[in-house]
Amino acid sequence: GNSVTQMEGPVTLSEEAFLTINCTYTATGYPSLFWYVQYPGEGLQLLLKATKADDKGSNKGFEATYRKETTSFHLEKGSVQVSDSAVYFCALSDRGTERTARQLTFGSGTQLTVLP
Amino acid sequence: DSGVTQTPKHLITATGQRVTLRCSPRSGDLSVYWYQQSLDQGLQFLIQYYNGEERAKGNILERFSAQQFPDLHSELNLSSLELGDSALYFCASSPREFSGNTIYFGEGSWLTVV
Repeated sequence: GNSVTQMEGPVTLSEEAFLTINCTYTATGYPSLFWYVQYPGEGLQLLLKATKADDKGSNKGFEATYRKETTSFHLEKGSVQVSDSAVYFCALSDRGTERTARQLTFGSGTQLTVLP
Repeated sequence: DSGVTQTPKHLITATGQRVTLRCSPRSGDLSVYWYQQSLDQGLQFLIQYYNGEERAKGNILERFSAQQFPDLHSELNLSSLELGDSALYFCASSPREFSGNTIYFGEGSWLTVV
């Protein structure tokens, strides 16, 4: 079955530091990959996505590249801000077939705290 | 704002009771998903509906049930509630069933069982 392994947290960084949160996956076929973010007390928000190999998703200064050869989708940001403090979830979605439904499989989440 | 609306946002109820959580998907989306987020088990897929029909079941307890109505809104019914059912329940929607399109989440319904 599908699975997502995510770098364990919590991660604490100083403002303007470089961020990497590792994510690797196991899936059959060609899944779509996502990063979702959950700010304190809020729901899940889509941060970025990539739907095929070598695609780069980007949003709000965050980037992640779909690496099929290493089955990875690591999240990076060059200079984090206090407002980036949140829980980050890596996820994959298979494309579904006529017999199986499409589902999101999530990693365990990584808590990021950015200190001023 | 994802366009997925969930009600109620917060709910406190006693053990043994039954509650209903409601979800309105984004306009035009046919697929609705329910997820449970708890501290000990993370984000777990519960069930999916597509255009009114159940399409997939995940880790949904027998005490829980869901349905999707002709207007495409969905309800998740939780009965004989236990303390361990306290969690954040997310609804999500997507346009079609078999595509690489994104699944968008609502803000969730916080359920506390006391």
